[in-house]
Amino acid sequence: EPEVTQTPSHQVTQMGQEVILRCVPISNHLYFYWYRQILGQKVEFLVSFYNNEISEKSEIFDDQFSVERPDGSNFTLKIRSTKLEDSAMYFCASSQGDGRSYNEQFFGPGTRLTVL
Amino acid sequence: QKEVEQDPGPLSVPEGAIVSLNCTYSNSAFQYFMWYRQYSRKGPELLMYTYSSGNKEDGRFTAQVDKSSKYISLFIRDSQPSDSATYLCAMSTLGNFNKFYFGSGTKLNVKP
Repeated sequence: EPEVTQTPSHQVTQMGQEVILRCVPISNHLYFYWYRQILGQKVEFLVSFYNNEISEKSEIFDDQFSVERPDGSNFTLKIRSTKLEDSAMYFCASSQGDGRSYNEQFFGPGTRLTVL
Repeated sequence: QKEVEQDPGPLSVPEGAIVSLNCTYSNSAFQYFMWYRQYSRKGPELLMYTYSSGNKEDGRFTAQVDKSSKYISLFIRDSQPSDSATYLCAMSTLGNFNKFYFGSGTKLNVKP
């Protein structure tokens, strides 16, 4: 069964460093997402991406964050200068469809980011 | 932001019990209601999805939406130890159905 994959499973970085989290969405999906879950808190929407541009972003997704689809398979989240409060589990998700109606979002296993 | 509230549990039940999991919400614009199951160290996996009000059944799982009370439920019949996981409710609006608002999740433990 096709699935969303994410690498690495755990990333440790120093405050102020840049990190790139990688995701491979399901191959025929068109819509991509990033969510984060701080330990003990809710899963929070960060950004959705369709047709090579951001379609929606939350207040959390500030100038420190960026997303990219560098090739036909990968979808990345970059945090330019990490802060302690960026420590969280980051989930990538993807869905079929063109955004005109609801579609199931399939989640990856997550990348645990620890900022020291 | 307290748009979706969910009792974190943990909820511990014996095998075979009927489990009731609930979420309340404040935004009357929510129209899509989802239940996700999350096993330890895994991403959320969709269990059921409902549009607007009513009930939906799938095997041992029943989802209910009461929009007048802004209350949704997931019932698990004949619970199994393999149902032990964290259950997340999620919601979205008609105008922005791809932006999900999650509850904090309820941890369920089904004891053999």
